[in-house]
Amino acid sequence: ETGVTQSPTHLIKTRGQQVTLRCSSQSGHNTVSWYQQALGQGPQFIFQYYREEENGRGNFPPRFSGLQFPNYSSELNVNALELDDSALYLCASSSGTADQETQYFGPGTRLLVL
Amino acid sequence: KQEVTQIPAALSVPEGENLVLNCSFTDSAIYNLQWFRQDPGKGLTSLLLIQSSQREQTSGRLNASLDKSSGRSTLYIAASQPGDSATYLCASYWGKLQFGAGTQVVVTP
Repeated sequence: ETGVTQSPTHLIKTRGQQVTLRCSSQSGHNTVSWYQQALGQGPQFIFQYYREEENGRGNFPPRFSGLQFPNYSSELNVNALELDDSALYLCASSSGTADQETQYFGPGTRLLVL
Repeated sequence: KQEVTQIPAALSVPEGENLVLNCSFTDSAIYNLQWFRQDPGKGLTSLLLIQSSQREQTSGRLNASLDKSSGRSTLYIAASQPGDSATYLCASYWGKLQFGAGTQVVVTP
């Protein structure tokens, strides 16, 4: 069974640029959630995708957008990068949206915005 | 709006001592409460998931309790080892995970 993978592992961008982060969900999982974790804080929910549709969104501006593909992998796109976007971005997959489902996290992508 | 708090923010104990990590949440309307471990610069590893109808869950040296009425969960780690050094995060689940800021644990040999 393949776990959740994310790419790239690290990324450096400048303010105003755009970035795309990628996540491959664990085999058999159809739900992907994205989180932003600033240094010293807990992860904050960005949004969730279930069977290629957005299924819930946290308090993030529209410049944070996403996609889920038919193989259930996912992308997180961030436009017009700001310095405060520097963080560890985590994706998590699960086999559904039900309350008993454990979410499995990937290793994260560390984004630095200069 | 759900708020999840973890106290203390950091904890240091000698090897062999039992660890007690606290988590409190303001809204008792949760599906479940989850505990995660995070090593520096890494992703999260799920440790225990307690359904809202349950009072506790156990896995090896780990035991987590849930008291919805008081809005509290506690993670106990028995006979701590240096390998237990990490940040421990709790999260309530209601359609999405709402995390606390974590407790950074150092177990000294």
